[in-house]
Amino acid sequence: AQSVTQLGSHVSVSEGALVLLRCNYSSSVPPYLFWYVQYPNQGLQLLLKYTTGATLVKGINGFEAEFKKSETSFHLTKPSAHMSDAAEYFCAVSAEVLTGGGNKLTFGTGTQLKVEL
Amino acid sequence: GAVVSQHPSWVICKSGTSVKIECRSLDFQATTMFWYRQFPKKSLMLMATSNEGSKATYEQGVEKDKFLINHASLTLSTLTVTSAHPEDSSFYICSASQTANTEAFFGQGTRLTVV
Repeated sequence: AQSVTQLGSHVSVSEGALVLLRCNYSSSVPPYLFWYVQYPNQGLQLLLKYTTGATLVKGINGFEAEFKKSETSFHLTKPSAHMSDAAEYFCAVSAEVLTGGGNKLTFGTGTQLKVEL
Repeated sequence: GAVVSQHPSWVICKSGTSVKIECRSLDFQATTMFWYRQFPKKSLMLMATSNEGSKATYEQGVEKDKFLINHASLTLSTLTVTSAHPEDSSFYICSASQTANTEAFFGQGTRLTVV
């Protein structure tokens, strides 16, 4: 079974500062990894995903994440935070790729990002 | 493209009644749909996997008789919460994918409040 741990349920940064949201995963097989953003009372929007190939993945809104197998991590970063980045962020893993369930996701507990002036 | 729509966005119902939530893929055919439940300030918990034309596969601990899932067409899956109780109040989100291993797109969610 796979699992996801997101360190820090709340992260606060100043506008213009670096955003770093941490995600570690556990999987017995090569995983697919995802970051989603959720605004209040809305569904999830995919920021980026890693499946295979290049380990540094670039997503929408200036976000990127790096898959580090040795550290079982997939941390999300953005060089300069904007007020509009304030939201809940979820890391997710799918480890059922080999059985055709690559879209069945296990989510972390989420990190609330607050951006301050 | 790849739009998934849930209806209604929010619903209030009385205890003991049933409520149906629809999940539609608007511009693609979805062989697989997933239903998640999100508790306040918590993560999303997978409830069940719905495959078109077959019975849904429920996760451990999810009552299939309480949460009825129907995936009758390639563009529509429904979740019916039967005999709703206040503890069923939650945010329910669906996702849909064209095939296994293709990206799943999420609906906007449905806020259910049982009074």
